[in-house]
Amino acid sequence: DAGVIQSPRHEVTEMGQEVTLRCKPISGHDYLFWYRQTMMRGLELLIYFNNNVPIDDSGMPEDRFSAKMPNASFSTLKIQPSEPRDSAVYFCASSPGRNEQFFGPGTRLTVL
Amino acid sequence: DQQVKQNSPSLSVQEGRISILNCDYTNSMFDYFLWYKKYPAEGPTFLISISSIKDKNEDGRFTVFLNKSAKHLSLHIVPSQPGDSAVYFCAASAKLRTGTASKLTFGTGTRLQVTL
Repeated sequence: DAGVIQSPRHEVTEMGQEVTLRCKPISGHDYLFWYRQTMMRGLELLIYFNNNVPIDDSGMPEDRFSAKMPNASFSTLKIQPSEPRDSAVYFCASSPGRNEQFFGPGTRLTVL
Repeated sequence: DQQVKQNSPSLSVQEGRISILNCDYTNSMFDYFLWYKKYPAEGPTFLISISSIKDKNEDGRFTVFLNKSAKHLSLHIVPSQPGDSAVYFCAASAKLRTGTASKLTFGTGTRLQVTL
């Protein structure tokens, strides 16, 4: 199995632009998680899905952030409009329904 | 409010010696704990876990100890090897029911450097 796949690996954009991060979970995993890692706050859960349905989005910082999971093999995290404080590494993880989660390599986002 | 705390941002240990990484938590609802290892430019990888019904779990060179009364857990690596140099994250979850996954709350990580 290829593991969790994220794209792009790096994204540099200007303030105000829309950013879309993509994730393909491990096949057969019915849980998908989006995390953000910053120096100040470490790894924070933004949102997670079970069977493509959002279960908990309490970590989404504000309305500028949105996440979708149109099918079992694809999810997106969108930031519109982006701000410099959104600069971070964004991780996607999937799980087959137990505590262990399997992480992708992350997307490093820089908003200028 | 940081519910999972790793108070040591970094630790340096000589090769062959024991590495001890510590983690404290505040939420009494947490009943499952995990350690993840992270290399630069990679995602965290699962290392070892422990359920709250146990106080110790061992896997090769890695042992996790849980002290529920103190709300404290630790990861022991014996013997430490240069390849163990990474950032280690402690994580906790409050499991809802069997067959489900719940969100993980992570600590801020401890950077371990194993020197020759």
